[in-house]
Amino acid sequence: QLVLTQSPSASASLGASVKLTCTLSSGHRSYAIAWHQQQPEKGPRYLMKLNSDGSHSKGDGIPDRFSGSSSGAERYLTISSLQSEDEADYYCQTWGTGIRWVFGGGTNLTVL
Amino acid sequence: QVQLVQSGAEVKKPGASVKVSCKASGYTFTSYYMHWVRQAPGQGLEWMGIINPSSGSTNYAQKFQGRVTMTRDTSTSTVYMELSSLRSEDTAVYYCAREILRVAGVPDAFDIWGQGTMVTVSS
Repeated sequence: QLVLTQSPSASASLGASVKLTCTLSSGHRSYAIAWHQQQPEKGPRYLMKLNSDGSHSKGDGIPDRFSGSSSGAERYLTISSLQSEDEADYYCQTWGTGIRWVFGGGTNLTVL
Repeated sequence: QVQLVQSGAEVKKPGASVKVSCKASGYTFTSYYMHWVRQAPGQGLEWMGIINPSSGSTNYAQKFQGRVTMTRDTSTSTVYMELSSLRSEDTAVYYCAREILRVAGVPDAFDIWGQGTMVTVSS
């Protein structure tokens, strides 16, 4: 079964860096994912698509502070030089064979 | 610019139906698949289904089959999502989301989101 697992919460200090993790279920480690940001009281915003080899393509206007990387079944979103507006929920998404799209449970990022 | 603009908030009674619209602009409407995703209060994102705006063909998540209908109007570049037999658990924000242009027919991620439509189901 295609499942994405995320830690419910994370925190980091203003100006620091943080690395969020999204883990693909067994048998799906080659899958690409996407990262989406949802600021409080707003709709989601596409950040990037991240492939299993770590290559990624970002959405329009996404700052260089946002980057992605991969290792095995893990997909990472790194945010550097954290700003207050980065405080948000971050969701990973993937898509499987057949007609199905799946989201992780989301990580709530607090900027201290 | 590319955008998806959704219809306004709705309040419905249990057992009723709701129809939410999503108007696309800034790109070729029929070239991109469109999805619907919902988010219950304080919860995560849940995929509901997909529509091909070119052909009108649809595919729904098993959870919603029999209760959801997705349609499109190519003359106005608008997709619709109708959910019937509403219950309190359907209270959520409903989003339309555009899928990245497919290459060789391979499914992809979502790159544009609508602003969301709050649907409240309450007696």
